[in-house]
Amino acid sequence: DAKTTQPPSMDCAEGRAANLPCNHSTISGNEYVYWYRQIHSQGPQYIIHGLKNNETNEMASLIITEDRKSSTLILPHATLRDTAVYYCIVNAGGTSYGKLTFGQGTILTVHP
Amino acid sequence: DGGITQSPKYLFRKEGQNVTLSCEQNLNHDAMYWYRQDPGQGLRLIYYSQIVNDFQKGDIAEGYSVSREKKESFPLTVTSAQKNPTAFYLCASSMRGGRDTQYFGPGTRLTVL
Repeated sequence: DAKTTQPPSMDCAEGRAANLPCNHSTISGNEYVYWYRQIHSQGPQYIIHGLKNNETNEMASLIITEDRKSSTLILPHATLRDTAVYYCIVNAGGTSYGKLTFGQGTILTVHP
Repeated sequence: DGGITQSPKYLFRKEGQNVTLSCEQNLNHDAMYWYRQDPGQGLRLIYYSQIVNDFQKGDIAEGYSVSREKKESFPLTVTSAQKNPTAFYLCASSMRGGRDTQYFGPGTRLTVL
């Protein structure tokens, strides 16, 4: 699986958009980009995933650059409950049998 | 409610004892996974199973054992051979494995005294 690089921490004001970047410069053509978040002492929560097109769901939007070497997770109106560790993961499936390689992630702190 | 349940949430054991962590899912998923998380770290894969009666070692299987006798259940036994068993254990499942989205349970925090 390709490695990902995320900033260790970010701050965001409540009600504003939170834009979390992720670099995955060695991603290969069959690898998807997944985003999960983990609130302290809970299991990771799936947010969104994509291959090359931008994606949006009720939680967030995922913007993937045209060369697929980086992506941005957007939380359009951050709330205090969005404070968590956010993980960007690339997953090829296939011979990697779906193993998710979680790095250090980005600690997002949403403040009033 | 559909989802993944893990029990118990907190577990304390004495050193040298085996302990079994429960993971159940009612999502009708074929694939199930066990991960371990240490403080401030990402998740590491212990074992995975893509179908009933079959399972494979992940990256850190030593000192652990699993079984997959039923589709909805994937218990993990932490044996006395695991040198540093205190950790947060997470179970996940996905429809078929591979690139299918994995959904996680709430986790079990094991402390070995």
